[in-house]
Amino acid sequence: DQQVKQNSPSLSVQEGRISILNCDYTNSMFDYFLWYKKYPAEGPTFLISISSIKDKNEDGRFTVFLNKSAKHLSLHIVPSQPGDSAVYFCAASEPGGSQGNLIFGKGTKLSVKP
Amino acid sequence: NAGVTQTPKFRILKIGQSMTLQCTQDMNHNYMYWYRQDPGMGLKLIYYSVGAGITDKGEVPNGYNVSRSTTEDFPLRLELAAPSQTSVYFCASSAIQGADEKLFFGSGTQLSVL
Repeated sequence: DQQVKQNSPSLSVQEGRISILNCDYTNSMFDYFLWYKKYPAEGPTFLISISSIKDKNEDGRFTVFLNKSAKHLSLHIVPSQPGDSAVYFCAASEPGGSQGNLIFGKGTKLSVKP
Repeated sequence: NAGVTQTPKFRILKIGQSMTLQCTQDMNHNYMYWYRQDPGMGLKLIYYSVGAGITDKGEVPNGYNVSRSTTEDFPLRLELAAPSQTSVYFCASSAIQGADEKLFFGSGTQLSVL
């Protein structure tokens, strides 16, 4: 039973346009959400996070939106660049939980075409 | 700027063989983790450690053992390798736990058990 779901295995976007990656979760106890980015043959790298007390967090071209009532979060990348092509993992944790105990989604492979 | 270093990068084992995946970090992080990522799946926690001499099981610990004799090193031991252990293994570390925690990952070890 997946607690964190990324229902789109892949997404293709034109350079300069917006990329929207979606993530749904089932555990209402989750209070901290993160996005990690992974290039082939590398480990995941932290991208952006959001606490459940917020509904939006921005960092440059990356914005994460959280809709707690819908148990849904999304990552927006504007504008998308070819270097953004990677697999993006959504992850969540419970209160007091370690990020090492993150629950990861299966990932969405983003391809940004020039 | 080494961060988290994993060796080897690739390994092929025969069923029943054993091996140790090495992980070392030079950031003086107390918290260290081992994950596995099966094809098309998210990362799953195998074992973690909150400091030297302290280890605990994650979600999928069966078939593995760990030790943490120093802050820097967190080796993962596979005894009696099985085909089900074919996966990519990631080691990670973090300085703190809870909000604002960020995991730093190694580049992974791709293991095939044939």
